Order: sequence, then C-alpha cells, then structure tokens
Amino acid sequence: DGGITQSPKYLFRKEGQNVTLSCEQNLNHDAMYWYRQDPGQGLRLIYYSQIVNDFQKGDIAEGYSVSREKKESFPLTVTSAQKNPTAFYLCASKPGTAYTIYFGEGSWLTVV
Amino acid sequence: QKEVEQNSGPLSVPEGAIASLNCTYSDRVSQSFFWYRQYSGKSPELIMSIYSNGDKEDGRFTAQLNKASQYVSLLIRDSQPSDSATYLCAVGRGFGNEKLTFGTGTRLTIIP
Repeated sequence: DGGITQSPKYLFRKEGQNVTLSCEQNLNHDAMYWYRQDPGQGLRLIYYSQIVNDFQKGDIAEGYSVSREKKESFPLTVTSAQKNPTAFYLCASKPGTAYTIYFGEGSWLTVV
Repeated sequence: QKEVEQNSGPLSVPEGAIASLNCTYSDRVSQSFFWYRQYSGKSPELIMSIYSNGDKEDGRFTAQLNKASQYVSLLIRDSQPSDSATYLCAVGRGFGNEKLTFGTGTRLTIIP
C-alpha cells in the first residue's frame, strides 16, 4: 500500500539521550516535513526538505537534526539539546506540483 | 498576533445541525488554504482545500474563502457524531513556498 510510514509509534527517551524517528514514503513525493504537536496546540514546523540532500529549518529547529539521503526517507533525530521533547511528532509529504501535504500516523515521544 | 487564528472551542452542535468553523490569517499574500480533521491521538487528515474566493462544496462540507477580509471558514451540514474532532486550519503562501502554517484548532463536539 502507498503511504507514509512512521516508526516507532511510541518511544520513551531518557534524559540526555538522542533518539531518531523514522519516516518513509512510497508515494514518490518530492517534499517532506516534520511537525511537532503539543497537547491542545497546533502543529509547528521543525524541518522540511524539498529535494534530496537539501533541507531547511522550520520555526522550531533547535535541538533537532535531519537528513535526506534518499527521496523516500526523512529521519528526524531529537538530540539531548532539545529541552522539552515530549510531544507528538508528525511526518508529512507533498508532491512537487501540489500545495496539499499528507501526514503519516505520527510518533509519540515521551521523556522519562 | 498569531499568523493563523482559530477559536479553540469547544464548539457544541446538535446532531443534524450546521457546524460553522472560522479561521483568520495575517499574511495577505497567502494563496492556499486547508482544513484538516484530527481525531484524538491521531494524525490530521485533509478535508478541504480552497484557493479562490468564494465557496467550495464537497459532500456535507463547504469551505468559504474571503481574501479581502483574510478569513476562511468550514461549514459542516447535517452534523454527525463522527464529525466530533479537532479541526485545524492551515495556510500556505504558495508560489513555491512549501510551508504551511497551522492554527491551534477548534474542538467540535456533535451532541446526539
């Protein structure tokens, strides 16, 4: 089936650890995005990438890193520098000629 | 002033009635507008997109856009309990700018 796959769905992180969230899409979409959602809040853009080997910071990039080595993959690393990482993380993608973005099922990250 | 503003609700509507959700935005050059529905604990799913002034209808949903007044609305006719969710308004600049800015969402409850 075509779609956007995020893993893991639930992840627990200890203080000081880096964790990586996976996002894979088989839709042949050019652009990919990472958003963060806190309870009762809207979505805030962390990073986005329009083409392979290129990405831009969003509104809240501090404490996060990404890579785009393949068109179908856009992993997000939450580093120990991110002071409040507990949130719902959403990966999204978009065809090159369209405005509409589509979301994966999300990953819940909790710091313990 | 927030870039995209929505009334957080909760908005309670009787089953079968019309639910009206509103959104205002601050960037006058915005060109693309979206409504996403998000059930609790799930990722957002696209309901409507609109790019031109006026109304756009899709089944029980109607999106309305007024660029001069900088607002976009979503009407849900014949509201069903399954429509109970948080509705997110998203705005994009278009013209190759790939980022969407989201409002914080309006929580809608349909009362049987």
